[in-house]
Amino acid sequence: AQTVTQSQPEMSVQEAETVTLSCTYDTSESDYYLFWYKQPPSRQMILVIRQEAYKQQNATENRFSVNFQKAAKSFSLKISDSQLGDAAMYFCAYTPWGGYQKVTFGTGTKLQVIP
Amino acid sequence: DARVTQTPRHKVTEMGQEVTMRCQPILGHNTVFWYRQTMMQGLELLAYFRNRAPLDDSGMPKDRFSAEMPDATLATLKIQPSEPRDSAVYFCASGPPGQDYNEQFFGPGTRLTVL
Repeated sequence: AQTVTQSQPEMSVQEAETVTLSCTYDTSESDYYLFWYKQPPSRQMILVIRQEAYKQQNATENRFSVNFQKAAKSFSLKISDSQLGDAAMYFCAYTPWGGYQKVTFGTGTKLQVIP
Repeated sequence: DARVTQTPRHKVTEMGQEVTMRCQPILGHNTVFWYRQTMMQGLELLAYFRNRAPLDDSGMPKDRFSAEMPDATLATLKIQPSEPRDSAVYFCASGPPGQDYNEQFFGPGTRLTVL
């Protein structure tokens, strides 16, 4: 069974600084997708970034980027120039490739941004 | 602005009562997921549907929970009878057809409190 582990229950970062959230996963699949979702206090889950396992290039979305290490089964999220609006729970998620299969979520990391 | 809607947003009920939560997926989306989020268990997949047919409901307690899609624009999650341990936030998410990477669009959630 696939598992997703986020070993940092809470993190904090100074505004304008950079922070990295960790995620590891376990799977026997070779093709899959990884995601980072953000859940602010409003509870709305928002997709931050997606990575295809077959792509070696790390995904980036503006201030958000990932460090995807397939052999190590590691998928970390880097937030640059942190803003107060980045304060939220961040969930790492995994799904096998191919047409809507189960998405497995990690337990989340609560990010605090200090002004 | 297409989005998943869920009703009610909040529900307080007494143990033993029936609870029905509703979800309207984004128009054109053919896959619908139900999740439960608690502090202890995190985000758990309860069930998901494709083209209104249930694909997997193994995460759902069968004795008291039921999920249906009466039509393509409505998904329901019912708990009967409800118990205090069912208190959680219940999320619905939907996804469009023809996509390999399983991106899900989440609704705002229903916060259920069972007294």
